[in-house]
Amino acid sequence: EAGVAQSPRYKIIEKRQSVAFWCNPISGHATLYWYQQILGQGPKLLIQFQNNGVVDDSQLPKDRFSAERLKGVDSTLKIQPAKLEDSAVYLCASSLSPSNEQFFGPGTRLTVL
Amino acid sequence: GESVGLHLPTLSVQEGDNSIINCAYSNSASDYFIWYKQESGKGPQFIIDIRSNMDKRQGQRVTVLLNKTVKHLSLQIAATQPGDSAVYFCAEKKAAGNKLTFGGGTRVLVKP
Repeated sequence: EAGVAQSPRYKIIEKRQSVAFWCNPISGHATLYWYQQILGQGPKLLIQFQNNGVVDDSQLPKDRFSAERLKGVDSTLKIQPAKLEDSAVYLCASSLSPSNEQFFGPGTRLTVL
Repeated sequence: GESVGLHLPTLSVQEGDNSIINCAYSNSASDYFIWYKQESGKGPQFIIDIRSNMDKRQGQRVTVLLNKTVKHLSLQIAATQPGDSAVYFCAEKKAAGNKLTFGGGTRVLVKP
């Protein structure tokens, strides 16, 4: 079974630039999550989708971060404009339902200079 | 791959010895706990879970202990192997909402 796919794996940008990350969850998984993992810390949930609807985005900095899952499968996370403190690994995870095990992708390492 | 964390608490263990990793959780309303393993350049990988109505659960070479009185969770790895070198995170989930909250990690280094 293919796992969660993410791209790009690495991205370096300058502050105030924009960046987008892509996630393809495991086939059939209705729930999709985006996490931010700052170096030395555990992942922090940014947003959770159930199919194409947002379940929880309480920790998403909405002034600069946005995410969508238009067709209920793939998802994109965008940052515009980026700040230095956005440097982190952005992890995508998926699960069959919110109560099932989450499977994580390899993450996208973002460096903001 | 990149390092998960450069300033994490580190446990150095000799190959073949047992490892014990500890975690304190904060929310007494949490009723489900998970241990994850994260290798460099990879996402977290599920190891073992435990519900709040249990105090011990065993898997293959791993045991999780839960002490709800002091809100403490531990992961024991038997006969630690080089492949066990990674960062380990505990995570908690409340019954309602199903939001997963991760704690700080512990780096395990296995010495040959």
